[in-house]
Amino acid sequence: ETGVTQTPRHLVMGMTNKKSLKCEQHLGHNAMYWYKQSAKKPLELMFVYSLEERVENNSVPSRFSPECPNSSHLFLHLHTLQPEDSALYLCASSQDLPGRVGTYEQYFGPGTRLTVT
Amino acid sequence: AQSVTQLDSHVSVSEGTPVLLRCNYSSSYSPSLFWYVQHPNKGLQLLLKYTSAATLVKGINGFEAEFKKSETSFHLTKPSAHMSDAAEYFCVVSGMFSGGYNKLIFGAGTRLAVHP
Repeated sequence: ETGVTQTPRHLVMGMTNKKSLKCEQHLGHNAMYWYKQSAKKPLELMFVYSLEERVENNSVPSRFSPECPNSSHLFLHLHTLQPEDSALYLCASSQDLPGRVGTYEQYFGPGTRLTVT
Repeated sequence: AQSVTQLDSHVSVSEGTPVLLRCNYSSSYSPSLFWYVQHPNKGLQLLLKYTSAATLVKGINGFEAEFKKSETSFHLTKPSAHMSDAAEYFCVVSGMFSGGYNKLIFGAGTRLAVHP
């Protein structure tokens, strides 16, 4: 509906597994974002890619590894996660102009509900 | 630095009555402001945005918000609540990374309940 798709929608993984979340945007945008949404906590920005270059890594543990192979695709690789990493992971995109104060809204995907057991 | 405060974590209204969700912002320059809505187990959907044009902004589903610079507020209103409006609402202000890239700063959210 928003032009941003995420797969899978639900994921259950053990602490020793390796998995990846995928995000694809069909809007022609040049910036993509990963957010974490936990219960009772504000939305947390994790990573930002602008023009396929990572421009923000918001103190995220190294067990989360992002990848942006092109402007339409964004991945979040997961390994040796902890139970506290269980959350809704949201991907978003925007049309961004570096160096300009943003008036540019972000469009969100439906999210991946991750449960770490 | 930019920040946003949503003054109510929960709001409960009866169907057909007005909705008011309050938001105050802090910004060192003229900000862009947004309201997003999130229905259960869904992503965030843009309701409306203010970008220094008209101070009264109309959005989708009958919502509107008024930018008041003197009060640093951007409250969201709707004249008549519908059951389908039950969701979480986020007030958002635009900000900037030190490198000059755009980012959004989210409020903690207000959960709106609508009763028959």
